[in-house]
Amino acid sequence: KQEVTQIPAALSVPEGENLVLNCSFTDSAIYNLQWFRQDPGKGLTSLLLIQSSQREQTSGRLNASLDKSSGRSTLYIAASQPGDSATYLCAVTQGGSEKLVFGKGTKLTVNP
Amino acid sequence: GAVVSQHPSRVICKSGTSVKIECRSLDFQATTMFWYRQFPKQSLMLMATSNEGSKATYEQGVEKDKFLINHASLTLSTLTVTSAHPEDSSFYICSAQVAGKEKLFFGSGTQLSVL
Repeated sequence: KQEVTQIPAALSVPEGENLVLNCSFTDSAIYNLQWFRQDPGKGLTSLLLIQSSQREQTSGRLNASLDKSSGRSTLYIAASQPGDSATYLCAVTQGGSEKLVFGKGTKLTVNP
Repeated sequence: GAVVSQHPSRVICKSGTSVKIECRSLDFQATTMFWYRQFPKQSLMLMATSNEGSKATYEQGVEKDKFLINHASLTLSTLTVTSAHPEDSSFYICSAQVAGKEKLFFGSGTQLSVL
């Protein structure tokens, strides 16, 4: 059974800092991995999707890496801003299934 | 981008009553919709997958007779929590997918509180 773990559960940083969020998964036979942002009352927004054959994806100040063999992914946020404050979720999809398995998330607070 | 509208955003009901949650894809046709729930400090957990015009596929441990899912059109799926109990209190969220596309679009979620 696939399990996804995110560390830390919560993180508070001053504005402008670069930060890394961690995600690990127990079964390396994944199809893809996604990072989402969850804002209260606004549902989830997909940030980055990495296919199992890829090593990283970048979008603006966000960079996500994937080390499938070790079962790890990181989300790097550069020059953090207060607007980045949200809960960040990592989720994987197994091959042959559309089912997403989510971690519990990391609640990020960026202080002005 | 694609928008998924989910209503209501919050509902409080008495134990034993039924609650219906709607999930609409506003500007695209969703061939597949997923329903998740999230208990406090827990992960989002998939409850069921529904394809338009066919019966939903439920995850292990999810009672299909309690959580009724209808996906009668390509733009609307509903989740009805029947005979709700306090332990059904949770955050329910839907997501929609276009056939052949990997990206999922999520609704804003429904916080259900059963008294």
